[in-house]
Amino acid sequence: DQQVKQNSPSLSVQEGRISILNCDYTNSMFDYFLWYKKYPAEGPTFLISISSIKDKNEDGRFTVFLNKSAKHLSLHIVPSQPGDSAVYFCAARNNQGAQKLVFGQGTRLTINP
Amino acid sequence: EPEVTQTPSHQVTQMGQEVILRCVPISNHLYFYWYRQILGQKVEFLVSFYNNEISEKSEIFDDQFSVERPDGSNFTLKIRSTKLEDSAMYFCASTSGTGREKLFFGSGTQLSVL
Repeated sequence: DQQVKQNSPSLSVQEGRISILNCDYTNSMFDYFLWYKKYPAEGPTFLISISSIKDKNEDGRFTVFLNKSAKHLSLHIVPSQPGDSAVYFCAARNNQGAQKLVFGQGTRLTINP
Repeated sequence: EPEVTQTPSHQVTQMGQEVILRCVPISNHLYFYWYRQILGQKVEFLVSFYNNEISEKSEIFDDQFSVERPDGSNFTLKIRSTKLEDSAMYFCASTSGTGREKLFFGSGTQLSVL
């Protein structure tokens, strides 16, 4: 099941710079997208989401961009902070009434001081 | 902030034994889920539960798995006869259920089948 793909298993960014995490999807029925952050030995915690009727959603240092034609979304974190070091999961939900989320493989973000 | 709680945090069992993983979802939530993550792999959907019945389940959720909400607060996942490949981190999640709400996840139960 490769409906949601995060092609970069890891990313290293210097503190204060912008972190850009990418996600691609194949299912055109997806209409709601979420980013979750996960620390070791903890459950995923919600970061930010976007509906397919929008192309951008911003919350503080976090911005999610959606390009429906390319079936691509990205998460921008600026400025990056050491506490942002975690695994980031992209997730999607379709509009067919199913409540489940389909997750990508995750990207491990490391912020270097 | 209210949270989803899961017990135990770690469970070690012998192959073929039954295990029950327990979860207390957020109190006013209506939809409940189990997901799992095998080491190094993605988080996978197992089952969703609403109005005291399964609303959707994945191919992983075969006859060896069952879920129950026995008392209005707990939400359990039972694996009847564990296999080595059931070893994973199991996450419970809940949502208020409008269909566009974020899922709140518990911190997980690490299940090790020996």
